[in-house]
Amino acid sequence: KNEVEQSPQNLTAQEGEFITINCSYSVGISALHWLQQHPGGGIVSLFMLSSGKKKHGRLIATINIQEKHSSLHITASHPRDSAVYICAAPGAGSYQLTFGKGTKLSVIP
Amino acid sequence: EAQVTQNPRYLITVTGKKLTVTCSQNMNHEYMSWYRQDPGLGLRQIYYSMNVEVTDKGDVPEGYKVSRKEKRNFPLILESPSPNQTSLYFCASSLNPYNEQFFGPGTRLTVL
Repeated sequence: KNEVEQSPQNLTAQEGEFITINCSYSVGISALHWLQQHPGGGIVSLFMLSSGKKKHGRLIATINIQEKHSSLHITASHPRDSAVYICAAPGAGSYQLTFGKGTKLSVIP
Repeated sequence: EAQVTQNPRYLITVTGKKLTVTCSQNMNHEYMSWYRQDPGLGLRQIYYSMNVEVTDKGDVPEGYKVSRKEKRNFPLILESPSPNQTSLYFCASSLNPYNEQFFGPGTRLTVL
């Protein structure tokens, strides 16, 4: 089973700030998921990445397989980015997904 | 519209009364999964299915059953619910575990 750790648990930022959320895992993986959970509870997939970097709008996700670490960056943060961000990783040789406990982001105008 | 549907969205029940939460997807996805979300514990996988008639345990399978008789449906069965199964449940589907996951809207279950 993979152990997945996220940091920070809570993050408050001023609108416009650059935000970084970190995710570390214990077992070598082939892909890692970043999810966003809206204040209303719905969950959407932001990224699935297995190497390098992916970008979607103001969101950038990176992964370093050797260091077992991934980061989610938000540029020019906006109050609508306020949500819980969750990373998830499968175990080695397993289709079981293990989730980090999430990072609650609040962006203040 | 591509979507994952769950029913019911809210359910209050009593200990021991069997219940089923349905999950259906219209994207022809092979992989489906059930998760529960609890404060302080985050999301945890209950069961997953790689294809029809192929299911496997996740982190917290105790007290739950699943079946995958059709590709589109993946019901979660609580044969004898207990108060510690009070939680927010999500179903999700994807082409495979390494692809984008599509989540249902969630089912909030309270067991008294």
